[in-house]
Amino acid sequence: DIQMTQSPSTLSASVGDRVTITCRASQSISSWLAWYQQKPGKAPKLLIYKASSLESGVPSRFSGSGSGTEFTLTISSLQPDDFATYYCQQYNSYFFGGGTKVEIK
Amino acid sequence: EVQLVESGGGLVQPGRSLRLSCAASGFTFDDYAMHWVRQAPGKGLEWVSGISWNSGSIGYADSVKGRFTISRDNAKNSLYLQMNSLRAEDTALYYCAKAEQWLEPFDYWGQGTLVTVSS
Repeated sequence: DIQMTQSPSTLSASVGDRVTITCRASQSISSWLAWYQQKPGKAPKLLIYKASSLESGVPSRFSGSGSGTEFTLTISSLQPDDFATYYCQQYNSYFFGGGTKVEIK
Repeated sequence: EVQLVESGGGLVQPGRSLRLSCAASGFTFDDYAMHWVRQAPGKGLEWVSGISWNSGSIGYADSVKGRFTISRDNAKNSLYLQMNSLRAEDTALYYCAKAEQWLEPFDYWGQGTLVTVSS
């Protein structure tokens, strides 16, 4: 099984900050990676697919990059609505990373 | 508007069975792959099972293989998860999710149904 490791597990940041979350795969997954945002009590929401493609309706401050085994999700300027937990997922076998909680500093 | 509405959750004793349902609307159900994803209280997301549009591809997480069975009824726009031999560690919020195709990410999710396994 391909394991997905996210870092950090928690991130404290302020509005306006540039935020980067990393996801590493235990073996190459090409670009078959998605990023989701989940707010408390809500279902996850797809943000990025194929490592760097922005889902329709998602603000352009979100971007994804990487291929092979290392991937990043970047929020260029953190907004109040962005405080949430973020998960990566490799969709060759659907495993999720452990999540990164973005908290208010 | 795409809608996915899960039902069938509840409190069940260890070793017993439960069947979850997901009613889909707002899209052509039989064109898309569907999945179940669960989230234990305070924990992360865990993919449980998925099924392609025509049931030709089906997959399970190792943690549920042999105990859970996914199925779909395209005529009823419904997805199901038959859960047998339930364990305390199966306690979670179970989400139904849609994907464009098999081996694609999940673009729409329901709000989940809670399964609690306890004596």
